[in-house]
Amino acid sequence: GAVVSQHPSWVICKSGTSVKIECRSLDFQATTMFWYRQFPKQSLMLMATSNEGSKATYEQGVEKDKFLINHASLTLSTLTVTSAHPEDSSFYICSARELAGLNEQYFGPGTRLTVT
Amino acid sequence: GENVEQHPSTLSVQEGDSAVIKCTYSDSASNYFPWYKQELGKGPQLIIDIRSNVGEKKDQRIAVTLNKTAKHFSLHITETQPEDSAVYFCAANKGAGNQFYFGTGTSLTVIP
Repeated sequence: GAVVSQHPSWVICKSGTSVKIECRSLDFQATTMFWYRQFPKQSLMLMATSNEGSKATYEQGVEKDKFLINHASLTLSTLTVTSAHPEDSSFYICSARELAGLNEQYFGPGTRLTVT
Repeated sequence: GENVEQHPSTLSVQEGDSAVIKCTYSDSASNYFPWYKQELGKGPQLIIDIRSNVGEKKDQRIAVTLNKTAKHFSLHITETQPEDSAVYFCAANKGAGNQFYFGTGTSLTVIP
């Protein structure tokens, strides 16, 4: 149980275009989903916390207009990178916290974004 | 806010030996301490966790110990195998609705 999927697993896009990444909890309901960014050989950096049915809470320094997050249901959250630039290239990982659980969070497999 | 430190950053052990990774935290309100294993190009996978009302937890070759007084917790892997090679992250959390604070990671290499 507690499986989180992400789609796509990797994507290449051109500068100026937008990219949407989906995060789904497959076998549980998640009231809270987190979006992280990870640079090579570094730890996870929390970008935003997404609660179902409400606006996401962004960490300091993360542009909410650039990284649009929507958490429309208890099993789906999306991250849209708008007007992508090469510096947005990174590994994006989502995680989900189970509605019926305690503190546990389960991670998706990640999405590798490359902006050319 | 919480500050989690993790040591060592890299660790090499011979197959069959034990590996120990240590983390310290600063916020005494933290009460949940998970450990994640991340393989190259993949998302972190929860391998074991411990809550503040327990001092030790074991799952086969993996164990975690927690010292609340000293604010540190450790991951112990016994009888290491090459497939244990990965980056391991510790984290601290103080309850539902709060974010997780991660350590900087330990790259473990098990030498066959």
